[in-house]
Amino acid sequence: NAGVTQTPKFQVLKTGQSMTLQCAQDMNHNSMYWYRQDPGMGLRLIYYSASEGTTDKGEVPNGYNVSRLNKREFSLRLESAAPSQTSVYFCASRAGQGNYSPLHFGNGTRLTVT
Amino acid sequence: QQQVKQSPQSLIVQKGGISIINCAYENTAFDYFPWYQQFPGKGPALLIAIRPDVSEKKEGRFTISFNKSAKQFSLHIMDSQPGDSATYFCAAPKVPKLSFGAGTTVTVRA
Repeated sequence: NAGVTQTPKFQVLKTGQSMTLQCAQDMNHNSMYWYRQDPGMGLRLIYYSASEGTTDKGEVPNGYNVSRLNKREFSLRLESAAPSQTSVYFCASRAGQGNYSPLHFGNGTRLTVT
Repeated sequence: QQQVKQSPQSLIVQKGGISIINCAYENTAFDYFPWYQQFPGKGPALLIAIRPDVSEKKEGRFTISFNKSAKQFSLHIMDSQPGDSATYFCAAPKVPKLSFGAGTTVTVRA
């Protein structure tokens, strides 16, 4: 059971380049999330999708776009990468929308923007 | 702004000792308080969680204590082991979002 799969694992971009981070889950979960993790800042929510066909902004959405391609896949796009977007990006999913449903995380994409 | 404030940022404990991590929250609408554990190179995973209708929950060597009046909850790791070395995050979900603390890196020395 793969759970949440993120690709790529590592990426180096030059300022101004674009890229898409891919995420897929095989647990038939309704909700999917993108977080970024920075030292001393914890996990900050970028965008989320409460169900297929919907997306909403989180705490730090500027510079990012998302697509909920289908129930399994939720991608994160950087249109014009900036050094401030150097971070570790985590995709997560959860079965329901209730508070008590735990998040299941992928193993992250480490992105460096030079 | 973080809705959950976590401390300390890091701690070192000897094998067999007790690790204590604290979190404080502002929003009284939060009604579920999970802790996530993250090993290097991996994503966080749910460790233990508590609802505010109880003051304590224990699972093995891990205990959550909850103080509703103080709006605080803490994680205690008893008999800490080297395998417990990880980063721990508290969280307070208010669907559909979860607010995470800044994280505490725990190092257990053998």
